[in-house]
Amino acid sequence: DIQMTQSPSSLSASVGDRVTISCRASQGIGNHLAWFQQKPGKAPKPLIYGASSLQSGVPSKFSGSGSGTDFTLTIRSLQPEDFATYYCQQYDGYPFTFGPGTTVDIK
Amino acid sequence: QITLKESGPTLVKPTQTLTLTCSFSGFSLTTERVGVGWIRQPPGKALEWLALIFWDDDERYSPSLRSRLSITKDTSKNQVVLTMTDVDPVDTASYYCAYGTGRTFDYWGQGTLVTVSS
Repeated sequence: DIQMTQSPSSLSASVGDRVTISCRASQGIGNHLAWFQQKPGKAPKPLIYGASSLQSGVPSKFSGSGSGTDFTLTIRSLQPEDFATYYCQQYDGYPFTFGPGTTVDIK
Repeated sequence: QITLKESGPTLVKPTQTLTLTCSFSGFSLTTERVGVGWIRQPPGKALEWLALIFWDDDERYSPSLRSRLSITKDTSKNQVVLTMTDVDPVDTASYYCAYGTGRTFDYWGQGTLVTVSS
């Protein structure tokens, strides 16, 4: 299985901050990487696919980059609605695997 | 508009078989490249991918759960069914179904919480 790791596991940030979350795959996955946002009690919301392509309706404040084994999710100008847990997921090989998540909370 | 909704029991006893149904609209599971998968999330824990079925009947499973899982589709009813045998309290989780076209999961259901307890 391809193992996914994320760092940090949690971070505290203020409204208006720029936040960066890292995701690493245990082997190369090309650009077959997705990011999801999840709020408590809700289903994950797809944000990015193909490492850097925004899902329809997702604001451009979210951006993704990377390929191979190292990926980054950046959130520009953090707003109250952005405080949530973020997961990366690889879909390059079966079984699909998710990272452990990064929780972004209010400083 | 694509929507998915999970249904099934909220409480299951250990060793029983869990059957979950994903009812969807807005797409057809006969369309090329379309797939519907299941993902679960134990309370307070991370997401875990379980299984996926494609338009052409290709089925994929998590190796760690393969012996206990079965995924089927009924294209006439627009439903996908996940069956999990011999459940254990560690299988307590929110179970989600989701739609994709080979580029991960683009639409998710709201999820259903299943508790395994005697």
